[in-house]
Amino acid sequence: DTGVSQDPRHKITKRGQNVTFRCDPISEHNRLYWYRQTLGQGPEFLTYFQNEAQLEKSRLLSDRFSAERPKGSFSTLEIQRTEQGDSAMYLCAIKRDSWFTEAFFGQGTRLTVV
Amino acid sequence: SQQGEEDPQALSIQEGENATMNCSYKTSINNLQWYRQNSGRGLVHLILIRSNEREKHSGRLRVTLDTSKKSSSLLITASRAADTASYFCATDSTSQGGSEKLVFGKGTKLTVNP
Repeated sequence: DTGVSQDPRHKITKRGQNVTFRCDPISEHNRLYWYRQTLGQGPEFLTYFQNEAQLEKSRLLSDRFSAERPKGSFSTLEIQRTEQGDSAMYLCAIKRDSWFTEAFFGQGTRLTVV
Repeated sequence: SQQGEEDPQALSIQEGENATMNCSYKTSINNLQWYRQNSGRGLVHLILIRSNEREKHSGRLRVTLDTSKKSSSLLITASRAADTASYFCATDSTSQGGSEKLVFGKGTKLTVNP
């Protein structure tokens, strides 16, 4: 148990549909990250929050993607008008503070767009 | 973009042998971390080494860091079948405008045969 719960674990959706993923950190770590991982690749950074503030977004995060972290606890990642290229594992991670600490990852949500 | 490059991409060894994986990176770092990922699962933190450290041990793991060569190695001694997984290095980079994101390599897929 890494202290990060992601829901759902798997999602199959038709192209053009909207999907929303949720990340629930069990413990109060003020930094929360979203990553995307495609087959055979390492995780790629999407965005991160410090408490409720979204401090950085990757260029990978097109305008079809939006993330929120209301009240600085759980976070949601929404993808609108899904495309087949969005098929990937979406990983949430938390960190206690900035430098010199490890990140704790959830089990991920595997998205398949058909 | 991915900062780290692990080498080799895949490694197959017999149980009891040692496994060595290498990671090279491009920019100055605060620290370097190694993570493990079982197939289809989230990442698990293994070890963190700071930029002013040269070597670190944790159980059967030994990590070295050479900042002059911008490289790190992960040694797993007396490997077990349960060590079969993908291993990723990740860096916190000081040159990324103060960004707190971890940047991952593409990983080394380790197979330990019984």
